[in-house]
Amino acid sequence: GAVVSQHPSWVICKSGTSVKIECRSLDFQATTMFWYRQFPKQSLMLMATSNEGSKATYEQGVEKDKFLINHASLTLSTLTVTSAHPEDSSFYICSAISSGRAYNEQFFGPGTRLTVL
Amino acid sequence: QKEVEQDPGPLSVPEGAIVSLNCTYSNSAFQYFMWYRQYSRKGPELLMYTYSSGNKEDGRFTAQVDKSSKYISLFIRDSQPSDSATYLCAMIRPDFGSSNTGKLIFGQGTTLQVKP
Repeated sequence: GAVVSQHPSWVICKSGTSVKIECRSLDFQATTMFWYRQFPKQSLMLMATSNEGSKATYEQGVEKDKFLINHASLTLSTLTVTSAHPEDSSFYICSAISSGRAYNEQFFGPGTRLTVL
Repeated sequence: QKEVEQDPGPLSVPEGAIVSLNCTYSNSAFQYFMWYRQYSRKGPELLMYTYSSGNKEDGRFTAQVDKSSKYISLFIRDSQPSDSATYLCAMIRPDFGSSNTGKLIFGQGTTLQVKP
């Protein structure tokens, strides 16, 4: 149980285009999902917290108009990178909280590799 | 100063060796401590979590937390080539006084290679 999927796994796009990444909790409902970014040989950095039915909460330094997050249902959150540029190339990982445990354990998706040319 | 410090390595050991991975942290409010394993180009998977100080064992893995020193460790016994991955420590930064909810703060990750 507690499986999180992401789509797509890989995406290559031209500079200036927008890219949408989906994060789904497959076998549980997730009221809260998180979006992380990971650069090579670096740790995961939290970008934003996404709550179902409300606006996402962004971390300091993350542009909310550039990284649009929508959490329209209890099993789906999307991250749209608008007007992507080469510096946005990174590994984007989502996670979802499965409640009812001793702590709010986060289950991570497999990640999406974004390359902006 | 980062909230969580972890030596990125890389760490290379022969098969069968005991591996010791460590993190230090600065926030005394941290109560939940996790170790994740991440294979190349994959999402992290939870190995173990520990609440407060003490030891926890699961098969070949042992997690230790020393809150007085703000130091946590993960030991891997009889290491296998399949253990080759990046190991990330993580801690929950509590929200609103609740120790078990909040943001995950990750260490940089230690890359481990176990050679046959």
